[in-house]
Amino acid sequence: KNEVEQSPQNLTAQEGEFITINCSYSVGISALHWLQQHPGGGIVSLFMLSSGKKKHGRLIATINIQEKHSSLHITASHPRDSAVYICAVWDYQLIWGAGTKLIIKP
Amino acid sequence: DAGVTQSPTHLIKTRGQQVTLRCSPKSGHDTVSWYQQALGQGPQFIFQYYEEEERQRGNFPDRFSGHQFPNYSSELNVNALLLGDSALYLCASSSPWTSGTYEQYFGPGTRLTVT
Repeated sequence: KNEVEQSPQNLTAQEGEFITINCSYSVGISALHWLQQHPGGGIVSLFMLSSGKKKHGRLIATINIQEKHSSLHITASHPRDSAVYICAVWDYQLIWGAGTKLIIKP
Repeated sequence: DAGVTQSPTHLIKTRGQQVTLRCSPKSGHDTVSWYQQALGQGPQFIFQYYEEEERQRGNFPDRFSGHQFPNYSSELNVNALLLGDSALYLCASSSPWTSGTYEQYFGPGTRLTVT
């Protein structure tokens, strides 16, 4: 069993839809990261969470430490949101989930 | 603030050769982690440097070695290149031990192609 599991692996939605990506982890962590990777490779850190909820623009990330679960939400999705979204937990190194490939169709 | 920089951006090498990749961390960060991302796969942790020492290492052979300089910049060296070493090499900087900052900042990566 992977230490960090994401679902779904692939997600295709129409522009404007509300998107949810889930992440469950089995290790003790200091922080959880949501990262975005566009084709071509560059990785951008979207959020770092150790508790509660964070919001940035149309992106919202939540974490439930007791349940070892986090979600990334995208409201009013747009084709430019198409990317791979990765959940990674920090235990003095990043332990990565497999990523969710998101495609938003116009 | 220039953020995390990596050089070169692209590199083509031949099997058996050696390569050195470079990373400069974000200002104020003292820890550099290196990751390998093969095409279509998630990043794999190679190693992490702090205070000029390798602090943690992933499951990579000794052909992969590194160094951290007093200014916190870092090099990743790969000897005896194999075709399977073709990947995007990512560098991330942070400052977890001195400031308790787990925020990770990533460089743009170096795309290595081994022919």
